[in-house]
Amino acid sequence: GAGVSQSPSNKVTEKGKDVELRCDPISGHTALYWYRQRLGQGLEFLIYFQGNSAPDKSGLPSDRFSAERTGESVSTLTIQRTQQEDSAVYLCASSLRVSGIYNEQFFGPGTRLTVL
Amino acid sequence: GESVGLHLPTLSVQEGDNSIINCAYSNSASDYFIWYKQESGKGPQFIIDIRSNMDKRQGQRVTVLLNKTVKHLSLQIAATQPGDSAVYFCAEPSISGGYNKLIFGAGTRLAVHP
Repeated sequence: GAGVSQSPSNKVTEKGKDVELRCDPISGHTALYWYRQRLGQGLEFLIYFQGNSAPDKSGLPSDRFSAERTGESVSTLTIQRTQQEDSAVYLCASSLRVSGIYNEQFFGPGTRLTVL
Repeated sequence: GESVGLHLPTLSVQEGDNSIINCAYSNSASDYFIWYKQESGKGPQFIIDIRSNMDKRQGQRVTVLLNKTVKHLSLQIAATQPGDSAVYFCAEPSISGGYNKLIFGAGTRLAVHP
């Protein structure tokens, strides 16, 4: 079975432009997560989707960041008016969902975003 | 607040030696910890986990030790191999986040020399 896939693998954009990053979770995984990883640092949680529930957006750093998910499939992370500090690797993960316990998250390879 | 951090940013070892990577956490209520391995250009990969009701857990060539008294955990890799070269992260699910988000430490880069 395929793992989590993300596209593009690399994205170079100019400051002020909008970008869209895509994540395809593992089939059957109802939970989907986005994280940001700045160079030489750990992962920072951005947003979490679970089924049809309202997403947990508590990690989004500003209103320039938004994400959508269609049902239990593909998700897109959109960054509007990109800034240089948005340069990072954006990682997506998916998991099964059993409430009250930790469900192992499986990570994609990430999208490396460079804002010039 | 919850935070997970690491003592050493880099660790260089000789092939065949044992490696020890350390991690500290701040929330005494934390009850579950995970070690991830991240190779260059890839996402983090689960290595081993441990629950707070355990002091030690062993996997294949890896052992995690948990000291709840000082809020410290370590990852031990036996007979380190070149393929172990990667960045290692400790992480814990956020209790306040309903176990839905992971809190990661900053990471330790392990460099294995022949």
